[in-house]
Amino acid sequence: DSGVTQTPKHLITATGQRVTLRCSPRSGDLSVYWYQQSLDQGLQFLIQYYNGEERAKGNILERFSAQQFPDLHSELNLSSLELGDSALYFCASSVETDYEQYFGPGTRLTVT
Amino acid sequence: AQSVTQLGSHVSVSEGALVLLRCNYSSSVPPYLFWYVQYPNQGLQLLLKYTSAATLVKGINGFEAEFKKSETSFHLTKPSAHMSDAAEYFCAASNSGGSNYKLTFGKGTLLTVNP
Repeated sequence: DSGVTQTPKHLITATGQRVTLRCSPRSGDLSVYWYQQSLDQGLQFLIQYYNGEERAKGNILERFSAQQFPDLHSELNLSSLELGDSALYFCASSVETDYEQYFGPGTRLTVT
Repeated sequence: AQSVTQLGSHVSVSEGALVLLRCNYSSSVPPYLFWYVQYPNQGLQLLLKYTSAATLVKGINGFEAEFKKSETSFHLTKPSAHMSDAAEYFCAASNSGGSNYKLTFGKGTLLTVNP
């Protein structure tokens, strides 16, 4: 158990819908990273937040957004969902000065 | 841009045999390097990391990796495979400075261990 929690574990929704994925980092970790794992693209970095502020962006679509709240949990919002958004979404956390990231168990999103 | 290449999407070994999973990175500045393991339906677990200290890095479960700058490689090895090692392995790289340590992953290598 990494100490990073993600909810829900599974999510099935229809095209065009909007969903929110939630991540709670390890106690004391200020940085949260979001990654997408799909069969065709592999594991890709989406976005990083540090202590409530966006720090870096990767290959995140404009239909996707994220935020980190004062209690440090983070949410990834996916809207206007398409079939191709079906994937595993991982959250990882780390302390500021540490490069070591701890991954949550992931949320499996299926868009039908 | 940084990239990570894992040679061989699938490696099959016999139980007790040497495990060798290959990883090469492409970066003008040597990055931090990591190996993660993913068991079915689970998240990623860190096996080991290289952060510019010792070039031979020992990790959990008997795995180790050697950083070779001249070859831009960070191959993962284990002397004797166990059935429990069957999983997917990912090599990853991050910047070795600054405040953003986003990981760039290779495509992964699925390790099968035969009895």
